Amino acid sequence: AQKVTQAQTEISVVEKEDVTLDCVYETRDTTYYLFWYKQPPSGELVFLIRRNSFDEQNEISGRYSWNFQKSTSSFNFTITASQVVDSAVYFCALSELGRNTDKLIFGTGTRLQVFP
Amino acid sequence: EAGVAQSPRYKIIEKRQSVAFWCNPISGHATLYWYQQILGQGPKLLIQFQNNGVVDDSQLPKDRFSAERLKGVDSTLKIQPAKLEDSAVYLCASSPDRVSPLHFGNGTRLTVT
Repeated sequence: AQKVTQAQTEISVVEKEDVTLDCVYETRDTTYYLFWYKQPPSGELVFLIRRNSFDEQNEISGRYSWNFQKSTSSFNFTITASQVVDSAVYFCALSELGRNTDKLIFGTGTRLQVFP
Repeated sequence: EAGVAQSPRYKIIEKRQSVAFWCNPISGHATLYWYQQILGQGPKLLIQFQNNGVVDDSQLPKDRFSAERLKGVDSTLKIQPAKLEDSAVYLCASSPDRVSPLHFGNGTRLTVT
């Protein structure tokens, strides 16, 4: 069965600290996508990144970076020099390719609070 | 570009009452999704449309939930009758196709008392 685990329920940091959000997934498929979404207090889910299972290159976008390791089924997300505006709930998600449905399986989310 | 529009933003009803939510996806987006997000959990897919056809409704409680997407544009999700456990945020999302990332609306927060 497909499953996404975000073991960290809540993380609090002080501005300018680096923080890593963990994501571990389970799937029987060899082809799949992994995602990170941000949910600010306004409620909408904001797409951050998508990675397919054949691309294990790490990615950096500004202060954000992602580390994808198939060997450990992990797709971790690091925010460097965190800012108050980064405060939100972050969701990791999995979708499987090649099926009739492309639904996202979400983790339970990690609430990040960045204090000034 | 305008985002995914949802209404109402909040709704409070008593159990056994009926409620309907409306979603207008981004113009031109063929795929539309309804997700249910219970407090403290990640969103869970209820139903997925491709144009006006249903792709996946395997997790939709069909005895009380129904959804339609007439004309392949906006969509309505209905609950009849509502139960206490239906209290959640109902999120609508759309994408231009089935391989592009989803764009989510702000959601409708439903409280069933």
